[in-house]
Parts: sequence; C-alpha cells; structure tokens
Amino acid sequence: KQEVTQIPAALSVPEGENLVLNCSFTDSAIYNLQWFRQDPGKGLTSLLLIQSSQREQTSGRLNASLDKSSGRSTLYIAASQPGDSATYLCAVRRSGAGSYQLTFGKGTKLSVIP
Amino acid sequence: EAGVTQFPSHSVIEKGQTVTLRCDPISGHDNLYWYRRVMGKEIKFLLHFVKESKQDESGMPNNRFLAERTGGTYSTLKVQPAELEDSGVYFCASSPPSGRHYGYTFGSGTRLTVV
Repeated sequence: KQEVTQIPAALSVPEGENLVLNCSFTDSAIYNLQWFRQDPGKGLTSLLLIQSSQREQTSGRLNASLDKSSGRSTLYIAASQPGDSATYLCAVRRSGAGSYQLTFGKGTKLSVIP
Repeated sequence: EAGVTQFPSHSVIEKGQTVTLRCDPISGHDNLYWYRRVMGKEIKFLLHFVKESKQDESGMPNNRFLAERTGGTYSTLKVQPAELEDSGVYFCASSPPSGRHYGYTFGSGTRLTVV
C-alpha cells in the first residue's frame, strides 16, 4: 500500500528566502507525481506534474524534482513571497492499467513572513 | 475554460439527515473523481467515473454513500443517513479522456459538517 509522507508538517520562513519542501513515497511504481497548493478554505491548485520518466519540472519560481528509485520528490521555491503562504500537497499516482487513484501526503503548511 | 465546480460550498446537517453534493467537471473531461479530507487526515480517494460508469469505487467508506453520474456529465454524491464521522471536505476532480498523461483539476470542495 502506497504511503506518502511530507516533511516538515509546517514551515515558517522570512520573505525572500529559498526553501525546499520534501515528499517521500513508499512504492516506487508510480505513473506520475503532482504538487498542489491549497489556500485556506479553497480547493487544490495544481502547481507541477512530473511524469515518472522525468527528473524535474519548472514553473516560474517553482522547481520540482523526482527521484523515483529512492521514492522522493522535492519542491523548491525561490525567493519566497508572502503570497506563497499556503499548504503544499504532494500526490502520487500508481502505475498500472486502471490505476487512477492519487495518494496524498498530509501536506506542509508554509508561512512566509513579510 | 470553466474549472471544476462544486455545490454547495458548505453544508451543515444533523445526524441522520441526507445531503447531496454536486460536481460539474470541466467540459470534455470523461474522468471524474471524488475525494475527501476528514479532520487531521490526508485527502483520500473515494471513487472514479469514466463517463457514466463507475471505474473504481474502492474508496467508498460504506453503503451510506451513493455516487451517480447520469449522462456522463455532472456527478452527485449522496450521503444517507449522515453520521458525525462523515464531516470533512469533499473534493471533486476531473481529467481528460487520456487522463493518465495529465494531472487532475480539482474543485474548491464542499465542507460538510454533521452535527
């Protein structure tokens, strides 16, 4: 059974700092991995999707890496801003026919202090 | 392009009552999913529709939950009768027909409180 762990559970940084959020998963047989952000009382916004054959994806100040063999992904946020404050969720999709379920971590709650 | 729409955004009901949640996926997205997050836990899968057919309902907690997707468009999730432990946020998501190559788009969720 796939388990996804996100460390740390919460993180507080001053504005402008670069930071890394971690995600680990127990079963390396994944199809892809997706990072989301969730603002309080809102839905999930997709940030980056990494296919299992890829090593990283970039979007603006965000960079996500994937090391499938070691069961790890990181989300790097450059030059953090107060608007980055949110909960960041990692989710993996298992490989195999008909496997559409996402398994989520509990998330990392990020606070960027002005 | 309109996103995934969920209605209502909040619902407070008494234990034993019935509640129906609705999800309108992105137009053209054959795949529709329901997930939920209960307090302090991670978001968990409930079920997956491909058009109007239930592809995978392995995450449905019990027979008090009934999901439908008539005509392969919007979906409803009915909880009858509701129990206290059903409280949480129910998310709907959709993905294109070749869903495995794409990520999911999630709705804003329905926050259900059973009192």
